[in-house]
Amino acid sequence: DAGVIQSPRHEVTEMGQEVTLRCKPISGHDYLFWYRQTMMRGLELLIYFNNNVPIDDSGMPEDRFSAKMPNASFSTLKIQPSEPRDSAVYFCASRGQEPPQHFGDGTRLSIL
Amino acid sequence: AQSVAQPEDQVNVAEGNPLTVKCTYSVSGNPYLFWYVQYPNRGLQFLLKYITGDNLVKGSYGFEAEFNKSQTSFHLKKPSALVSDSALYFCAVRDPLDSGAGSYQLTFGKGTKLSVIP
Repeated sequence: DAGVIQSPRHEVTEMGQEVTLRCKPISGHDYLFWYRQTMMRGLELLIYFNNNVPIDDSGMPEDRFSAKMPNASFSTLKIQPSEPRDSAVYFCASRGQEPPQHFGDGTRLSIL
Repeated sequence: AQSVAQPEDQVNVAEGNPLTVKCTYSVSGNPYLFWYVQYPNRGLQFLLKYITGDNLVKGSYGFEAEFNKSQTSFHLKKPSALVSDSALYFCAVRDPLDSGAGSYQLTFGKGTKLSVIP
């Protein structure tokens, strides 16, 4: 079975540009999570969805960040405008009714 | 509130020796506990979990962990380390009594870098 699929794997862009990260969860999973990983702060939960509905977005750092899940097989995390401090690895994870969460391989984002 | 601590940033062990990666937690009730491993440029891979039942949990790649309620610990162990076990290991906890909006989220430790020396 395919795991969680994220794209792109790497993104380099200039400050001020819009960045869109994409995630396809494992089929049948109804929870989807977005995380950010940095050396300084470790792994942080940004937002999670249940049945395509955002449940907890308290980890979203600023209004520049937004996430959507238009259907059960697709989610996006958007940063607009991007800033150098947004540089990090962004992970998407999904799970079914029972744990554990399964992670994608992440998007390494560099904002110049 | 739930929290988890991994007291060692790095653990070095010789190949063939037993390894232990430590984790302690704090939750209101009985915890759900997890171990994940992360290899370079990859996502976190699930190793094992404790939800209920036997305190000794066996997982992938020969790893096991022991839930100790009195010491609030969930240390990861392997009897004989391999060079290929070198990676970053994360412990995570969820408090099932947390019925708030964040009740399905995991709290992760900072991670422990394991280096197995040939």
